[in-house]
Amino acid sequence: GENVGLHLPTLSVQEGDNSIINCAYSNSASDYFIWYKQESGKGPQFIIDIRSNMDKRQGQRVTVLLNKTVKHLSLQIAATQPGDSAVYFCAESSSNTGKLIFGQGTTLQVKP
Amino acid sequence: DAGVIQSPRHEVTEMGQEVTLRCKPISGHDYLFWYRQTMMRGLELLIYFNNNVPIDDSGMPEDRFSAKMPNASFSTLKIQPSEPRDSAVYFCASTSGVRTEAFFGQGTRLTVV
Repeated sequence: GENVGLHLPTLSVQEGDNSIINCAYSNSASDYFIWYKQESGKGPQFIIDIRSNMDKRQGQRVTVLLNKTVKHLSLQIAATQPGDSAVYFCAESSSNTGKLIFGQGTTLQVKP
Repeated sequence: DAGVIQSPRHEVTEMGQEVTLRCKPISGHDYLFWYRQTMMRGLELLIYFNNNVPIDDSGMPEDRFSAKMPNASFSTLKIQPSEPRDSAVYFCASTSGVRTEAFFGQGTRLTVV
């Protein structure tokens, strides 16, 4: 029906706790991965990226982990804040094509 | 740089009308992507360009959709004729090369009634 939509996974965390958002990617040829944050009414915004020659990369309060063996990506947010509430997308790309494909997204809800 | 600029921000049109969405990528970026976002399908890649040349249009839903990039600073996505099921938010993004972050515009919210 018209009201059926994507059932985005939702992660609900308490303010101050750490958050872990997971993503499975599909293309073995993908060698570049990005996490984006999308707030209501806005376009996706870059958070952090990682290349396939790495398995971990850290930013400010965020860490991305890459497991190429099982094609899995995760985003860790330390000391989650209310402003972190948003939809988070992982994206994959191949340097052979430049094509950038997004996953379905996860909604993060931060309870004060 | 002002970032990726899309226009209009909102568009309401009647079924059967032609709709043209516009995008100005960040200067110097040589990849441009068009995405459609809906609750049903999430963020779908429609088409992308490299150096103004369409590389992959396999995501374009049907012949009613077309996209052009006449120069490095401008791209259009056209729907003719539009249908209610085309209602969505359309995003344009650009990047300076492979393995670099893509920057998104604010999107165009299209409503076809």
